[in-house]
Amino acid sequence: SQQGEEDPQALSIQEGENATMNCSYKTSINNLQWYRQNSGRGLVHLILIRSNEREKHSGRLRVTLDTSKKSSSLLITASRAADTASYFCATDWEGSYIPTFGRGTSLIVHP
Amino acid sequence: SAVISQKPSRDICQRGTSLTIQCQVDSQVTMMFWYRQQPGQSLTLIATANQGSEATYESGFVIDKFPISRPNLTFSTLTVSNMSPEDSSIYLCSVEGLSETQYFGPGTRLLVL
Repeated sequence: SQQGEEDPQALSIQEGENATMNCSYKTSINNLQWYRQNSGRGLVHLILIRSNEREKHSGRLRVTLDTSKKSSSLLITASRAADTASYFCATDWEGSYIPTFGRGTSLIVHP
Repeated sequence: SAVISQKPSRDICQRGTSLTIQCQVDSQVTMMFWYRQQPGQSLTLIATANQGSEATYESGFVIDKFPISRPNLTFSTLTVSNMSPEDSSIYLCSVEGLSETQYFGPGTRLLVL
């Protein structure tokens, strides 16, 4: 299965700290995306990184991709209570543009 | 970006009944996707719905259990038929956005008793 696996499954931090989540996958990819899901809601797209990219930034988000290790990380800097959510990585590959989602990391940021 | 609404937002249903979930998009889209998210789990793609053709189902999902309609480019329905408690999940529709991203609806939270 191409499904990505996030690590850790759950993360609990204090407001202001950084949060790092990792995603590993099994086969070569075209793109890797990160999504956020607030409790009981739909998913919101955060950032997409292509297989030929190594790092992307968007505001307080930093995503890295290491294709040799088949892994990606999502760093949220200076976390806020509003960042409390589940974070999912999703991968697609040649011939299958529909992303496959991992199990997610549940992040709790304590005020 | 696309704005997607779903109805109902949540429902509690009895075993053996069926529920139809509606998904409305504020712009015309070629493909719509239906996902299931079981409690504490990831998203699993049920099917891809194209306007004017039958939906394409993923392994483990069949049309008799999850019939889908796609009457036009802004609307789709998913029916969960002959429900059992194992069908209790969040059901999400999505559409493809720019640059291979997806836009998701808010989801329908279903509890089957």
